[in-house]
Amino acid sequence: SYVLTQPPSVSVAPGKTARITCGGNNIGSKSVHWYQQKPGQAPVLVIYYDSDRPSGIPERFSGSNSGNTATLTISRVEAGDEADYYCQVWDSSSEGVFGGGTKLTVL
Amino acid sequence: QVQLQESGPGLVKPSQTLSLTCTVSGGSISSGSYYWSWIRQPAGKGLEWIGRIYTSGSTNYNPSLKSRVTISVDTSKNQFSLKLSSVTAADTAVYYCARVVWVGGYPDYWGQGTLVTVSS
Repeated sequence: SYVLTQPPSVSVAPGKTARITCGGNNIGSKSVHWYQQKPGQAPVLVIYYDSDRPSGIPERFSGSNSGNTATLTISRVEAGDEADYYCQVWDSSSEGVFGGGTKLTVL
Repeated sequence: QVQLQESGPGLVKPSQTLSLTCTVSGGSISSGSYYWSWIRQPAGKGLEWIGRIYTSGSTNYNPSLKSRVTISVDTSKNQFSLKLSSVTAADTAVYYCARVVWVGGYPDYWGQGTLVTVSS
């Protein structure tokens, strides 16, 4: 089965840039999607197809994907960005696969 | 705007069958561009894909749950459902239904989630 690996936690000061990675075997050949989940809420799609943003998602959220690592970048981090972030891909054998999630802490 | 709402018992006894329904509003479940999926999340843990169904009735399941899962669709009611048999405490989780974009395989709309506890 296909495995996605995320760091358990990332910390960043307000106004700085946060980078959350998602590792997988040749993940650059797949489309990666990212979700933000705040406590007690359902996940919200923030990036799809590696780097596209749904309407309503700030331009501060961006994504990239190459080789064995995809990255979600949040620029000018705000307190309201504190949440869990999950990457996800579609794998023909494993179906939908999620990473383990990364807790973003805004210092 | 599409909305999804899960419903079903919040408490299920061990060895019994968990049954949930997702009602879709604001759009037709028969749209050809989407799958309809169930995803779960144990408390304090990550997201786990359970399975998906297309309006034709075609299904695909997480291999780790495949022997216990059935997902069905009722287009006349704009609903789809989940049945998970022989549940144990390990199946205690928040269960989400979601709309999945056909091309790309990503959920773009989610229900609010419903907590199902497996306990005697």
